[in-house]
Amino acid sequence: DAGVTQSPTHLIKTRGQHVTLRCSPISGHKSVSWYQQVLGQGPQFIFQYYEKEERGRGNFPDRFSARQFPNYSSELNVNALLLGDSALYLCASSRRTSGDTDTQYFGPGTRLTVL
Amino acid sequence: RKEVEQDPGPFNVPEGATVAFNCTYSNSASQSFFWYRQDCRKEPKLLMSVYSSGNEDGRFTAQLNRASQYISLLIRDSKLSDSATYLCVVNPLASNTGKLIFGQGTTLQVKP
Repeated sequence: DAGVTQSPTHLIKTRGQHVTLRCSPISGHKSVSWYQQVLGQGPQFIFQYYEKEERGRGNFPDRFSARQFPNYSSELNVNALLLGDSALYLCASSRRTSGDTDTQYFGPGTRLTVL
Repeated sequence: RKEVEQDPGPFNVPEGATVAFNCTYSNSASQSFFWYRQDCRKEPKLLMSVYSSGNEDGRFTAQLNRASQYISLLIRDSKLSDSATYLCVVNPLASNTGKLIFGQGTTLQVKP
């Protein structure tokens, strides 16, 4: 079975632009979470979606938004890009929203560079 | 204070050595604990879950001390292929969102 897929793999944008990142979860998984990982730090939670509804939001500004589609794929949108948004954006899928036995599987990430 | 704290290292050890990493967490209500492994410029991958009774998977042993709010990972007989960043991860669970809180990561470099 295919794992979590993300597109694009790399992206270069300039300050003030908008970006859309895409994620397809593992088949059968209904939950998608987004994380931001800046160099030298662990991933930081941005959003979780389950059954097309937002179930959790991290401490990120309103410039960050996301949605989940009927096929459970997801998009992360970032408006008015800042230099500090340069990071690896990771998508993770799981079968459910929570549960200590519900493993989150990560995609390869999208590496965003803001110039 | 960070919610999950780890010594970033790097830990430089020879092949065959035993190495231990510790991690502390601040939320005493946290329910689930994990160690993830992340290779350079790759995604994190689940190494093992951590249970109160402790658990072992081959050369890897994870332990949880709820009273002191720390988690440990022991790697025995280190291999060159163990070189990676090890991320301590906590799921608070109380929010029922599946949100994972990651530590900064500890870098391990195993040398021949």
